[in-house]
Amino acid sequence: GAVVSQHPSRVICKSGTSVKIECRSLDFQATTMFWYRQFPKKSLMLMATSNEGSKATYEQGVEKDKFLINHASLTLSTLTVTSAHPEDSSFYICSARGTSGRTGELFFGEGSRLTVL
Amino acid sequence: AQSVTQLGSHVSVSEGALVLLRCNYSSSVPPYLFWYVQYPNQGLQLLLKYTTGATLVKGINGFEAEFKKSETSFHLTKPSAHMSDAAEYFCAVTGGRASKIIFGSGTRLSIRP
Repeated sequence: GAVVSQHPSRVICKSGTSVKIECRSLDFQATTMFWYRQFPKKSLMLMATSNEGSKATYEQGVEKDKFLINHASLTLSTLTVTSAHPEDSSFYICSARGTSGRTGELFFGEGSRLTVL
Repeated sequence: AQSVTQLGSHVSVSEGALVLLRCNYSSSVPPYLFWYVQYPNQGLQLLLKYTTGATLVKGINGFEAEFKKSETSFHLTKPSAHMSDAAEYFCAVTGGRASKIIFGSGTRLSIRP
């Protein structure tokens, strides 16, 4: 199957700083990428949908100014958590859809665990 | 719009026993259905998917699922559980390529020796 890579897998930062997480599709072009947040022992909450070359679409309740998403190319999307606070600590997972095929299947990155001190 | 309900947040079976994880969905359009598995501190891996055609789909690691439109179900089964099957399992539905994928709340599968 297709490969999606996230980096970093773990990051610890101080409160008030910003953190950037990268999501790359390694062997296919992804016109659409999704960012999810997963709380401990909970399901995945869709944060936003990013389409290459356009602004991301955020889900209700997600602060667009806090979670900046950029999808500059067909293989890279980034999530920047700005002015991070301890409540932003979570497991963030990206996923991508390819440019061909009709199944709607998503390929997931390995996830990035953010801890804000 | 689509939604997914996974019955049972935790399922425990003995090694070698049948695994049955339940998933019911609702969708206003013909659904695409998926089962994903997540191991601790990792992303999600696709187990299997149903789009169209044969309603019994086979996936990796010996898992299979059957799409039953009349019951709006897509239950996941495996005839004989292995210790390595212990993980979190998510059922998901989408209305197609342009639609969001909606995930169920997940079922944690534990395997007893």
